[in-house]
Amino acid sequence: NAGVMQNPRHLVRRRGQEARLRCSPMKGHSHVYWYRQLPEEGLKFMVYLQKENIIDESGMPKERFSAEFPKEGPSILRIQQVVRGDSAAYFCASSPKTGVPYNEQFFGPGTRLTVL
Amino acid sequence: KQEVTQIPAALSVPEGENLVLNCSFTDSAIYNLQWFRQDPGKGLTSLLLIQSSQREQTSGRLNASLDKSSGRSTLYIAASQPGDSATYLCAVRPDSGYALNFGKGTSLLVTP
Repeated sequence: NAGVMQNPRHLVRRRGQEARLRCSPMKGHSHVYWYRQLPEEGLKFMVYLQKENIIDESGMPKERFSAEFPKEGPSILRIQQVVRGDSAAYFCASSPKTGVPYNEQFFGPGTRLTVL
Repeated sequence: KQEVTQIPAALSVPEGENLVLNCSFTDSAIYNLQWFRQDPGKGLTSLLLIQSSQREQTSGRLNASLDKSSGRSTLYIAASQPGDSATYLCAVRPDSGYALNFGKGTSLLVTP
């Protein structure tokens, strides 16, 4: 049973370009969470999605960032017009449906974004 | 707003020592608390999850305790090994909401 998959693992973009980060949840998981880890900072929650729905995006920057989790395919975190301050590790986590005891979140290996 | 603090920020111990990592949180209205391990450049590996109604969880050489009323958790590592060297993260999930609130971690180095 494969874990949470993220690709690419490393992504380099120049200022002003777009970055697309992909996350495939664990098999049977329908909930996806994105977190960002800035250098020397703890992980910060960005957004929580279920299939075709954004449930909580309270941690997402208001501009340039968007996320989706379509009916088919992986969840996508999209950053438009990247700036150097977007350089960070972006982690995706997934969990099974709510109501299951513990509702543990399982994390992927992360995508390390570097903006030149 | 939930604040999670981990002390110490870094720790170096010789192999074989028992050690304790500390985590404190400001809001006791939590659903659960998780301890993770993060190796350099890698993702997070869940070590132990403690529900708010539980006092402790054990897995092998690891034991995590939770005192919800005082806002504290400890991760006890017995007979440390060089392979335990990593950053250990504490995260709490609030009663309301889904977002995990993370501490900045404790960087552990176990020397042979």
